[in-house]
Amino acid sequence: QQQVKQSPQSLIVQKGGISIINCAYENTAFDYFPWYQQFPGKGPALLIAIRPDVSEKKEGRFTISFNKSAKQFSLHIMDSQPGDSATYFCAARGSGGGADGLTFGKGTHLIIQP
Amino acid sequence: ETGVTQSPTHLIKTRGQQVTLRCSSQSGHNTVSWYQQALGQGPQFIFQYYREEENGRGNFPPRFSGLQFPNYSSELNVNALELDDSALYLCASSLAGNSGNTIYFGEGSWLTVV
Repeated sequence: QQQVKQSPQSLIVQKGGISIINCAYENTAFDYFPWYQQFPGKGPALLIAIRPDVSEKKEGRFTISFNKSAKQFSLHIMDSQPGDSATYFCAARGSGGGADGLTFGKGTHLIIQP
Repeated sequence: ETGVTQSPTHLIKTRGQQVTLRCSSQSGHNTVSWYQQALGQGPQFIFQYYREEENGRGNFPPRFSGLQFPNYSSELNVNALELDDSALYLCASSLAGNSGNTIYFGEGSWLTVV
């Protein structure tokens, strides 16, 4: 069964701290791993994505770390700001031309305290 | 702003009725997919359309159906509505080619079934 497990379910971080969200997957056919940010009442917005041929990708304050052998990947938000307070979803998709759709984790509700 | 627009934004239907949700993809995107997001959950893949044909489907019953038009816009139809169909329905567009192409989501249509 295709599944992506995400943790923690909720996270509180002080302003300026590092927020870390973890995901694990089982299907080795997954080859695209995006992270989405969702604010209440809005659709998910793509933050950053990675392919399994690299171990790390950084865009601004957001970094994905990828461990192919462990089938795990994580999102690091550096210098976390109150505006980063949102729900974050990891996702994965297989190599079948995209027709499999994205498989999402259950989300992490992140709160950045001022 | 992803360029993916959905209508209506909110609607209320009675159990047993039928509903049609509409989506306009981002300019140039030839692939559209639909997701269901229940409250507090991650989005779940319903199906994907490419070149006006369904080419991928998640674990949803046949009463969930769709259309893609020559201009790449799309409809999601749900027949015989059930209370559990109450959710945010997200449309997403992308460019077919490989599984790593970015998927952009619209703001969604909130469906309440009473």
